[in-house]
Amino acid sequence: KAGVTQTPRYLIKTRGQQVTLSCSPISGHRSVSWYQQTPGQGLQFLFEYFSETQRNKGNFPGRFSGRQFSNSRSEMNVSTLELGDSALYLCASSSVYNEQFFGPGTRLTVL
Amino acid sequence: AQSVSQHNHHVILSEAASLELGCNYSYGGTVNLFWYVQYPGQHLQLLLKYFSGDPLVKGIKGFEAEFIKSKFSFNLRKPSVQWSDTAEYFCAVKIRGSQGNLIFGKGTKLSVKP
Repeated sequence: KAGVTQTPRYLIKTRGQQVTLSCSPISGHRSVSWYQQTPGQGLQFLFEYFSETQRNKGNFPGRFSGRQFSNSRSEMNVSTLELGDSALYLCASSSVYNEQFFGPGTRLTVL
Repeated sequence: AQSVSQHNHHVILSEAASLELGCNYSYGGTVNLFWYVQYPGQHLQLLLKYFSGDPLVKGIKGFEAEFIKSKFSFNLRKPSVQWSDTAEYFCAVKIRGSQGNLIFGKGTKLSVKP
């Protein structure tokens, strides 16, 4: 089975811009979760989608949003980028067994 | 708020030394527990998990972990480390019933000297 894929792998944006990141889960997995990883804060949960519905949300501002499509692929969007949004954004998919499998991440740099 | 503590930020060992990485969590209810590893330049990989049953769980690459409910701990162990175990190790907790939210510790960097 192919693993979780994320595109793009690297992204450079400037403050004030918006960005969309994409995640394709493992085939058959219907749950997709997003995390932000930074050196200072570590891994922090952003949100989780299941069958196109957001089921859980972490403590991030409304500039961070996401969605999931009928094929389980998910996107997350960050609007009005700030310098502090520079991070590795990880997507994880899971089956009914609750194990999360992570993708390689998208490295976002905000200048 | 629930949290996960990993006691060691950076551990340096020589090959063949034994490893134990501490992990404690703050939640009194039922949890699922995980250890993930991130090798340099690679993505997070699941090492092992505990859902229920035998509190001593074995994972890949000779790693094991013991869940001690009374101590809210899930320590990772390996009897003899190799240079290839150099990586960052993350403990994570999922509160039973919560959706998708893994609570991660800050991670422990392990450096193994050849």
